[in-house]
Amino acid sequence: GQQLNQSPQSMFIQEGEDVSMNCTSSSIFNTWLWYKQDPGEGPVLLIALYKAGELTSNGRLTAQFGITRKDSFLNISASIPSDVGIYFCAGSGTGNQFYFGTGTSLTVIP
Amino acid sequence: GAVVSQHPSWVICKSGTSVKIECRSLDFQATTMFWYRQFPKQSLMLMATSNEGSKATYEQGVEKDKFLINHASLTLSTLTVTSAHPEDSSFYICSAENRGDYGYTFGSGTRLTVV
Repeated sequence: GQQLNQSPQSMFIQEGEDVSMNCTSSSIFNTWLWYKQDPGEGPVLLIALYKAGELTSNGRLTAQFGITRKDSFLNISASIPSDVGIYFCAGSGTGNQFYFGTGTSLTVIP
Repeated sequence: GAVVSQHPSWVICKSGTSVKIECRSLDFQATTMFWYRQFPKQSLMLMATSNEGSKATYEQGVEKDKFLINHASLTLSTLTVTSAHPEDSSFYICSAENRGDYGYTFGSGTRLTVV
């Protein structure tokens, strides 16, 4: 199946710093989702994006659906220790299957 | 909110045996469920799309005779790993399409270890 390119692969930041990560695809997508996964758990949905250019926030998290429909971005402002985890993007084209990005591992140093 | 229950959360089995994993949508009906596989420190790889009342659709490279999927009701899909081998050891996660909220809710995953 498809896999999306996500970067960076890992990040080590100080508490309070902002975080940015992105996801790119070779295909056009109609929906982008951003998830966070804690060890041994299933992913938890953070933000859903449904149209190109859309900018959506969920607390300190903001995500954007790229205008080319081949990329998406996630920003976390003023990071806190509980932001630690692996963040995944997921995209869907004309079907209802979602394909996941390679993940970004975030470590927040208090 | 939408809840997906996956069971068991952890299973150890002997090589050559079969293991069944259940995925249930607790408070909504899911005509479509998805099964993913995740190796340590890697991303989720879609294995198959489970459709209620019809055959599952498998992704390229996934053996349908090894990973049997049954979606007999609107709230239950099962994945059976047949004749399991150590290389099948992985984290298996299901998700269900919640049309009411237009979302995809994930189960908590099943860690399979084949010894």
